[in-house]
Amino acid sequence: GQNIDQPTEMTATEGAIVQINCTYQTSGFNGLFWYQQHAGEAPTFLSYNVLDGLEEKGRFSSFLSRSKGYSYLLLKELQMKDSASYLCAVRDSSNAGKSTFGDGTTLTVKP
Amino acid sequence: DGGITQSPKYLFRKEGQNVTLSCEQNLNHDAMYWYRQDPGQGLRLIYYSQIVNDFQKGDIAEGYSVSREKKESFPLTVTSAQKNPTAFYLCASSILPGGANQETQYFGPGTRLLVL
Repeated sequence: GQNIDQPTEMTATEGAIVQINCTYQTSGFNGLFWYQQHAGEAPTFLSYNVLDGLEEKGRFSSFLSRSKGYSYLLLKELQMKDSASYLCAVRDSSNAGKSTFGDGTTLTVKP
Repeated sequence: DGGITQSPKYLFRKEGQNVTLSCEQNLNHDAMYWYRQDPGQGLRLIYYSQIVNDFQKGDIAEGYSVSREKKESFPLTVTSAQKNPTAFYLCASSILPGGANQETQYFGPGTRLLVL
């Protein structure tokens, strides 16, 4: 099975940088996804990592260490609209494309 | 435009009643998934389907049923056996991984189910 841990809540200031951590224990691994979810809406894809290292995409970056079962999402130049829940999801190694989701980290950006 | 649609946006269920949530996609994706989300929690997998006329139980399938008669459609029925059905239900679809690739799941807008 899969077990995924993320902090429940984080607060940061507009314009700052915030790092959201995710640790996982899995019986199989075929990629890690980060999603953003605003209240009452569906999750939207932010990033994907399958190899160790950093993936950068504009203000968002995601890092993976498979040996440590660890990932983080880095958000730079925070904006008020970045206030949302951030979900870490690990895809298993079956061919069904199933992912296990963490409970999400609720980020509040303050002026 | 391609995408996933879910209907209705809000659904009310009476005690002992079965209700069906609709999910349709025109992305030509083989795989479809149903998740349940409770407040402050992540998504939990109810059922998934890799191909037409085939589906598998997820982590919390009890009290739910699905069908996959067409590639585009994957309706979820919440039966009276599901004792705590109030939640936000999300449908998703994806290309089958077939190896490591960054094909993500695409989510519909969700259906919020409330018990009267």
